[in-house]
Amino acid sequence: AQKVTQAQTEISVVEKEDVTLDCVYETRDTTYYLFWYKQPPSGELVFLIRRNSFDEQNEISGRYSWNFQKSTSSFNFTITASQVVDSAVYFCALRPLIQGAQKLVFGQGTRLTINP
Amino acid sequence: DGGITQSPKYLFRKEGQNVTLSCEQNLNHDAMYWYRQDPGQGLRLIYYSQIVNDFQKGDIAEGYSVSREKKESFPLTVTSAQKNPTAFYLCASSIGRGGNRYEQYFGPGTRLTVT
Repeated sequence: AQKVTQAQTEISVVEKEDVTLDCVYETRDTTYYLFWYKQPPSGELVFLIRRNSFDEQNEISGRYSWNFQKSTSSFNFTITASQVVDSAVYFCALRPLIQGAQKLVFGQGTRLTINP
Repeated sequence: DGGITQSPKYLFRKEGQNVTLSCEQNLNHDAMYWYRQDPGQGLRLIYYSQIVNDFQKGDIAEGYSVSREKKESFPLTVTSAQKNPTAFYLCASSIGRGGNRYEQYFGPGTRLTVT
């Protein structure tokens, strides 16, 4: 069975603070993809990053960074110097790397509120 | 601009009525998906289609039906058999079918309220 757990239901920080969103996953597959999506109040999910299971390098994109640790089955997301526009619900998701497998397994999401 | 459109943004229906949610994409993607999102929960897969005239059930297909007659379109019908139809419905698409890029791109969603 495949499962994604985002234990933090809600996080609230003051603008300019750093914040880390946790994601822990379970899968028996040896190859898989992990994703992060952002859902602003408008409702549309915005793709942020994809990471395959063979690539454990951390990635940085501006104020966003991701820490993938296969040994602990975690794929955490950090926002540095948070801004009010970062307020949204963030979802972590898992997908097996199998031809034809089209299913994304989502965590329950973390609602992030950045206060001015 | 390329993207996914869903209409309408808000939809209200009386219990017992079937309702069809529209999803159109001009990204030339092969695969399309329907998800349901309930308050405070993640997304759950209803149906998906990897190619025209073919689709598969997801985790919560009961009470829903789909068609895929055109590559660009993947409408979802919420039937009266769906016991709790009130939810936020999201349509997505991806290159799929052997493509190496697996991210799914989402539409703006339709919020369905059934009373």
